[in-house]
Amino acid sequence: DADVTQTPRNRITKTGKRIMLECSQTKGHDRMYWYRQDPGLGLRLIYYSFDVKDINKGEISDGYSVSRQAQAKFSLSLESAIPNQTALYFCATSDSGSGETNYGYTFGSGTRLTVV
Amino acid sequence: QQQVKQSPQSLIVQKGGISIINCAYENTAFDYFPWYQQFPGKGPALLIAIRPDVSEKKEGRFTISFNKSAKQFSLHIMDSQPGDSATYFCAARISGGYNKLIFGAGTRLAVHP
Repeated sequence: DADVTQTPRNRITKTGKRIMLECSQTKGHDRMYWYRQDPGLGLRLIYYSFDVKDINKGEISDGYSVSRQAQAKFSLSLESAIPNQTALYFCATSDSGSGETNYGYTFGSGTRLTVV
Repeated sequence: QQQVKQSPQSLIVQKGGISIINCAYENTAFDYFPWYQQFPGKGPALLIAIRPDVSEKKEGRFTISFNKSAKQFSLHIMDSQPGDSATYFCAARISGGYNKLIFGAGTRLAVHP
């Protein structure tokens, strides 16, 4: 099984619908992140969380919300999807320990979301 | 504004050649500079990283060169192979203990046989 699992892998939804993207991890990491990937724009941070009680907005949080249900689970919701939220979404985790080996992110395989 | 500018957007290299991808930043509050490699249908994976107090780091065929005064860093792939064909992202970590990364726009590398 993958260390970081994202579901669904692909989703097509209609404008105005609420949709939830889920992420679960077996790495035991306490830090989790949601990024959005668009061609020519790279990866942009939506939300991040350092534990169940800690949720922080990233650079493009408008139109999104998150829930950290447990250390291993971090969900991203689009309350009312719009076409410009069509993108590839990635969940990532990292450890909180010191040292360079703990800085690296482990990414899931992504969710391709299309809003029509 | 915290930004990392990456170039070129795409790169074609012949097998055995050297691939060079460049990144530049303006914010001096970055304290760690990783590179990620992404294959189609997969999430990015950490390739190599450098701290700003080091000018060069080499791991196998991959080398990061870091110029602190110019606020630039680059990835060199020596003896490029078709299996290196992927999208590469540079990134910079915002100092302060939160391990937040700002990514460049990505470079799509194609290595032709």
